Amino acid sequence: QKEVEQDPGPLSVPEGAIVSLNCTYSNSAFQYFMWYRQYSRKGPELLMYTYSSGNKEDGRFTAQVDKSSKYISLFIRDSQPSDSATYLCAMVIIQGAQKLVFGQGTRLTINP
Amino acid sequence: SAVISQKPSRDICQRGTSLTIQCQVDSQVTMMFWYRQQPGQSLTLIATANQGSEATYESGFVIDKFPISRPNLTFSTLTVSNMSPEDSSIYLCSVEDRLARVRYEQFFGPGTRLTVL
Repeated sequence: QKEVEQDPGPLSVPEGAIVSLNCTYSNSAFQYFMWYRQYSRKGPELLMYTYSSGNKEDGRFTAQVDKSSKYISLFIRDSQPSDSATYLCAMVIIQGAQKLVFGQGTRLTINP
Repeated sequence: SAVISQKPSRDICQRGTSLTIQCQVDSQVTMMFWYRQQPGQSLTLIATANQGSEATYESGFVIDKFPISRPNLTFSTLTVSNMSPEDSSIYLCSVEDRLARVRYEQFFGPGTRLTVL
């Protein structure tokens, strides 16, 4: 079983739709939760981060963490074609040195 | 935030040869990381490279196959040795900038796209 599971998609939705991206994890040692966005032929960039259970909103993006269920989500409201990218969840584990553990990434396309 | 460049951006190599990938950062950073991203797969950490110490390799990755150098606080190299087609992947370096606004945020280079024939 992978430490972090993420549906790779691809996911294709019309412009303006609400998008829901999800990850589950198995390791209770994960302490910090992030979402990275990766455009084609680019490196990933941090989009959202959260340290605790609950919701965090930033513009059209909402990150949600449920530690009891080991489940995190990213919601995109009023999706735009420029949101088309691969979205990777990432979790920080601190055992001695810290490291990021990534989900597989979900490829998202927003159709105009 | 740190700006990272990688060379080469892509390469096509023959089986059995080696390729050295360079990672240059525009500021001094303590921690640098090397990842592999295979088609349709997640980013997998190969090793952590701290200046002044030996690189720390993750399970499944060994120094003989992926030797790493970290001569100073702005530069690192990853060599993919004795390549086989299974090494075809995107290789990314990243850094953790202690001055970043988000704790544990990593900044990534654009990646090196490697194809082994």
